[in-house]
Amino acid sequence: AQSVSQHNHHVILSEAASLELGCNYSYGGTVNLFWYVQYPGQHLQLLLKYFSGDPLVKGIKGFEAEFIKSKFSFNLRKPSVQWSDTAEYFCAVNPYSGAGSYQLTFGKGTKLSVIP
Amino acid sequence: EADIYQTPRYLVIGTGKKITLECSQTMGHDKMYWYQQDPGMELHLIHYSYGVNSTEKGDLSSESTVSRIRTEHFPLTLESARPSHTSQYLCASSRRGGQGGQSSYNEQFFGPGTRLTVL
Repeated sequence: AQSVSQHNHHVILSEAASLELGCNYSYGGTVNLFWYVQYPGQHLQLLLKYFSGDPLVKGIKGFEAEFIKSKFSFNLRKPSVQWSDTAEYFCAVNPYSGAGSYQLTFGKGTKLSVIP
Repeated sequence: EADIYQTPRYLVIGTGKKITLECSQTMGHDKMYWYQQDPGMELHLIHYSYGVNSTEKGDLSSESTVSRIRTEHFPLTLESARPSHTSQYLCASSRRGGQGGQSSYNEQFFGPGTRLTVL
C-alpha cells in the first residue's frame, strides 16, 4: 500500500521567512498529488493539486509546489509567509490505477506556526 | 451555495449509546467518504461510497457502518459507542476533474468535521 511522509511535524517561522514543507510518497506509478490546509477552527481546504503537465503548480494564497518524479516528492513552498498562514498542512496522494481508484492517502500533517 | 454539512459539530456521549453522524452535500458529487483523524496523525479512510446503494470499507478497520440511500446523504452510525471511538470524523465528497484517462483527477472537498467524545 502507498504511504505519504511529511518530514516536519511542527515548523515555526517568523513573518516574511520562506517556507518549504517536505512530502514524499511511496508509489511507483502515475499519481495525482494534493496539498490541503486546515486553518484553526476551519475545515480542510484544497491548497493546490497536480495531475499532469507542468510539475510546478501554483495554488491559492501564493503557495506553489514542485513535483519531482525521480525523488517521489511534492514539496510545498511559499517565498514569504504571513501570520495568517498559521495552519496545519496535509499532503495527499491519489494513485492513478485506470480502474477508477478515487481514494486519497494522507500524510500526518505539518503544523506551521508563524510568529508576527 | 454548494457545500458539505456535518452535524453535530461536537458530541459527548456515554459508553453504549447508539449514535449517527450526519453528512450531507449539495455539491452534486456522486462519491463520498468518511475519514477518522486523531491529533497529530494522518486522516484514515474508514468508509467510502461511489454512488447510491454502494458502500465499501476503507483502509482503517472501523466498527461503524454507513448507508447511501440518497446521493446527497451519507450518514455514519455507531451501534454501541466506546471510549476507543473518541476521535474527529470528517466527511468528504469528490468529483472527477480533468479530461479523462491519465489527465483526470479526484479532488475531494471536506466538511467541518464532528468531534466525538465517548466517556
